Amino acid sequence: ETGVTQTPRHLVMGMTNKKSLKCEQHLGHNAMYWYKQSAKKPLELMFVYSLEERVENNSVPSRFSPECPNSSHLFLHLHTLQPEDSALYLCASSPSLERDTQYFGPGTRLTVL
Amino acid sequence: SQQGEEDPQALSIQEGENATMNCSYKTSINNLQWYRQNSGRGLVHLILIRSNEREKHSGRLRVTLDTSKKSSSLLITASQAADTASYFCATAFNQKLVFGQGTRLTINP
Repeated sequence: ETGVTQTPRHLVMGMTNKKSLKCEQHLGHNAMYWYKQSAKKPLELMFVYSLEERVENNSVPSRFSPECPNSSHLFLHLHTLQPEDSALYLCASSPSLERDTQYFGPGTRLTVL
Repeated sequence: SQQGEEDPQALSIQEGENATMNCSYKTSINNLQWYRQNSGRGLVHLILIRSNEREKHSGRLRVTLDTSKKSSSLLITASQAADTASYFCATAFNQKLVFGQGTRLTINP
């Protein structure tokens, strides 16, 4: 759809589970982002990576752990989540950090029981 | 904060009518972007307008920017059922892109 893919598209997990979200971009971009979208709240920026280096972490709880092994892949490792973490998690990429247009994946709908 | 605020929060119009959504923000910007999101999907970039531009067109979309009033508007002309979605403005400044809460647009047949 946009050159950014996310898997899985839907995930249901218990509070004691460990799971990972995967994002892959095929656009040759250097920056990648994780966002959280909850109902009736603005899009929340969680993490920013530029050239595989984390450049921003917006006070995200440690139960969310990002990993960027290369410029095309971004993971979000989930551990001991809470029901309020249920949301749509969106990955995005952009050519650089410089105020560029961002290209979004379709998102992973996460439900924490 | 820099966050843009869209107005109205929800808009429902008949197919064929024009839809106008507004965005206000509080700080300086380098550019302002509009995105569309279909239900439960990722955001799709629609148009980017730079701080030194006042108006921009793309197909049935027209975006205006008034930096003196710190506001922007998105006009969709001759609306179609496929335009039903949420529309977000995003303000860009100093390597940050901050999204507003969005306007939910419904096009009725």
